[in-house]
Amino acid sequence: DSGVTQTPKHLITATGQRVTLRCSPRSGDLSVYWYQQSLDQGLQFLIQYYNGEERAKGNILERFSAQQFPDLHSELNLSSLELGDSALYFCASSVGDQSPFHEQYFGPGTRLTVT
Amino acid sequence: AQKITQTQPGMFVQEKEAVTLDCTYDTSDPSYGLFWYKQPSSGEMIFLIYQGSYDQQNATEGRYSLNFQKARKSANLVISASQLGDSAMYFCAMREGGSNDYKLSFGAGTTVTVRA
Repeated sequence: DSGVTQTPKHLITATGQRVTLRCSPRSGDLSVYWYQQSLDQGLQFLIQYYNGEERAKGNILERFSAQQFPDLHSELNLSSLELGDSALYFCASSVGDQSPFHEQYFGPGTRLTVT
Repeated sequence: AQKITQTQPGMFVQEKEAVTLDCTYDTSDPSYGLFWYKQPSSGEMIFLIYQGSYDQQNATEGRYSLNFQKARKSANLVISASQLGDSAMYFCAMREGGSNDYKLSFGAGTTVTVRA
């Protein structure tokens, strides 16, 4: 158990809908990262938050947004869902954001299926 | 350009034998971290081992060791005494110190199947 929690574990929804994925980082970790894992794209970085502030964006679509709350949990919002958004979405956390030497611990992931 | 290259899509290994998973990386940043993760069929990503660019010694964690060859830009994972539970996908990843986001860049992964 990495200490990172994600809910829900599975999500099935229809095209055009909106969903929210939730993540709680490990105790003491201030940085939260969101990744998408799909068969064709592999593991892709989406967005990073540190202590409530957005730090960096990766390959995140405009239909996707995220935030980190004062209690450090984070939510990833996916809207106007398309079939191609079906993927495994991971949240990861690390203790800080200024060093490349801190490992990131991953949550169990949310498997999103868009039908 | 691909930052992490894993050239072995799949490997078979006999139980109790050692296996080496290849990983090469591309960066001009002097500060970086190299990581290996295991993803079993259940889907979770499990952190295995880490090597910093300034570390003089190869990292080891139990049955996992990292063969770090800085000049060749390679960071191969060695799993000793393979067990059936080692069957999984293994990802090599890198974080660069000069980037603004310290995100992990992943390779395509190597699937390891341990045979009894």
